Amino acid sequence: DGGITQSPKYLFRKEGQNVTLSCEQNLNHDAMYWYRQDPGQGLRLIYYSQIVNDFQKGDIAEGYSVSREKKESFPLTVTSAQKNPTAFYLCASSYGGQGTEQYFGPGTRLTVT
Amino acid sequence: QKEVEQDPGPLSVPEGAIVSLNCTYSNSAFQYFMWYRQYSRKGPELLMYTYSSGNKEDGRFTAQVDKSSKYISLFIRDSQPSDSATYLCAMSPPMTTDSWGKLQFGAGTQVVVTP
Repeated sequence: DGGITQSPKYLFRKEGQNVTLSCEQNLNHDAMYWYRQDPGQGLRLIYYSQIVNDFQKGDIAEGYSVSREKKESFPLTVTSAQKNPTAFYLCASSYGGQGTEQYFGPGTRLTVT
Repeated sequence: QKEVEQDPGPLSVPEGAIVSLNCTYSNSAFQYFMWYRQYSRKGPELLMYTYSSGNKEDGRFTAQVDKSSKYISLFIRDSQPSDSATYLCAMSPPMTTDSWGKLQFGAGTQVVVTP
């Protein structure tokens, strides 16, 4: 089955620790995206990548980092510099380009205490 | 002011009723429009994808785009309790190098269908 997988589903970390969220897709999509979702705020774009070895900051990139070494994988690191990291994180992918629909993974709920 | 406005709800309807959802937008250059359904603690699922003004139907779902009014709608006929979810609208911003592949999302409307 083609799709997007994110792991783990739930993640707990202590304040001050970096944590990496996994995102893998087997849809052969060129573009991948990371969003953060908070109650009542909709989806906010963190980073996106149009092609392997290239990525751009989204609207709320501060405190996050990404890499895109393989077409299938786009891991997101939440660093200790992120002031309010507790959120639901969603990964998406698309063929890319103007107007192409995005397909989402199941999400990772990160709780930092 | 946000580029895409969507009433957060909740919108409560009895089973079998028609659910009517809408989004308004400010930028007339938006061209592609999507509706996603998101169940609690799950990723959004693409429901409908439309381009240009008019209607598109898929089973119980109808998507409507009115570019002259900058208004899009989603109708769900014969609603079921399983339709209870948050519905997000999304649209493709104008073509610029900065906007490549990016979507602008509404905040989502929570729908509750009661048996």
